[in-house]
Amino acid sequence: SAVISQKPSRDICQRGTSLTIQCQVDSQVTMMFWYRQQPGQSLTLIATANQGSEATYESGFVIDKFPISRPNLTFSTLTVSNMSPEDSSIYLCSARGQALGGGYTFGSGTRLTVV
Amino acid sequence: DAKTTQPPSMDCAEGRAANLPCNHSTISGNEYVYWYRQIHSQGPQYIIHGLKNNETNEMASLIITEDRKSSTLILPHATLRDTAVYYCIVITLAGNNRKLIWGLGTSLAVNP
Repeated sequence: SAVISQKPSRDICQRGTSLTIQCQVDSQVTMMFWYRQQPGQSLTLIATANQGSEATYESGFVIDKFPISRPNLTFSTLTVSNMSPEDSSIYLCSARGQALGGGYTFGSGTRLTVV
Repeated sequence: DAKTTQPPSMDCAEGRAANLPCNHSTISGNEYVYWYRQIHSQGPQYIIHGLKNNETNEMASLIITEDRKSSTLILPHATLRDTAVYYCIVITLAGNNRKLIWGLGTSLAVNP
């Protein structure tokens, strides 16, 4: 099955700075998604990354805080902007496509700590 | 997409079968039942999925009731490495704009 590589795997950042997380899929996929998982919680969808157009954000998430790029069918980035300690979470990339059997595959996540 | 209900936690002895239940009483005809698990601090891992027939793969078996309102994931011989949070999700694969709705899952502890 296809592999999703996500980096960095973890980072510790100063408040007020920004971090860009990269997600690379080893085959072309239809859909890519970004999730946040706060400590002890389940996964919450941030947005769907659309190839060639603006991402579709879920309620409570805005482009200025979480800008997303998807320049092609295998790659996407999520930026966490102007970070505060409340942004400390695991951020997960997910993809769906024929190469993945039509189901959803996840990256290993980025553990972000904001100090 | 239909909502699912799972017990928050379960225990299982190593080497025994782990049976994890899931209720999805509002499931519609074109929705599949998917199971994922998340081992601490890792991304969710796909386990198995089914529509209405029972399914088996190298990891687990999935038993779906005839009315499709509930299902059970079976790990036939649980090991310590199966300790994880298990998520049951129902979703249609039709169309491209479907998003997974994640509940809190079942935290399975496999004990020596």
